[in-house]
Amino acid sequence: GAVVSQHPSWVICKSGTSVKIECRSLDFQATTMFWYRQFPKQSLMLMATSNEGSKATYEQGVEKDKFLINHASLTLSTLTVTSAHPEDSSFYICSANSPDNEQFFGPGTRLTVL
Amino acid sequence: AQTVTQSQPEMSVQEAETVTLSCTYDTSESNYYLFWYKQPPSRQMILVIRQEAYKQQNATENRFSVNFQKAAKSFSLKISDSQLGDTAMYFCAFSMYNNNDMRFGAGTRLTVKP
Repeated sequence: GAVVSQHPSWVICKSGTSVKIECRSLDFQATTMFWYRQFPKQSLMLMATSNEGSKATYEQGVEKDKFLINHASLTLSTLTVTSAHPEDSSFYICSANSPDNEQFFGPGTRLTVL
Repeated sequence: AQTVTQSQPEMSVQEAETVTLSCTYDTSESNYYLFWYKQPPSRQMILVIRQEAYKQQNATENRFSVNFQKAAKSFSLKISDSQLGDTAMYFCAFSMYNNNDMRFGAGTRLTVKP
């Protein structure tokens, strides 16, 4: 199947700093990517839909100024957690839609905010 | 809004036996997709099986099969000849036919015992 990568796989940062997470579709072009958040022992919660060349669509309750999403190319979407706080610590997973409408998930990024 | 319910937080099964994981969902739409994903300890999401709502025939992938009851809005996963490598979290998910953002159930932790 198609491959989606995320970088970094884990990151530790200090409270108040910003962290950028990259999601790349390695062997296909993705006009749409998705960002999910998963707390320990919980399910995946959709945060936002990232559309190439346009603004992201955020789910209710997700602060768009807190979680900045950029989808500048057909193979790259970035999620920036601004002014991170300990409660933002979580596992962030992206997924990408292939041209034949299959969705492929990245391996996730573990964020720990001290 | 679509909701997905998995009522079994944990299940266990003996190796080589059969186990069924339950999932129900709620939607007013007629065209949609249903999925079962496996999340092993690595936390990489792996697609197990996919069902299109307009197809009456139950999807099957090797040892994995579903029982899709559209009227009852039920979508259970049967794992036959369970293997130790099947030990993982299993998530049931729903997506609209024309919009691939997924809604996940809470998950079922399956343990296959030797």
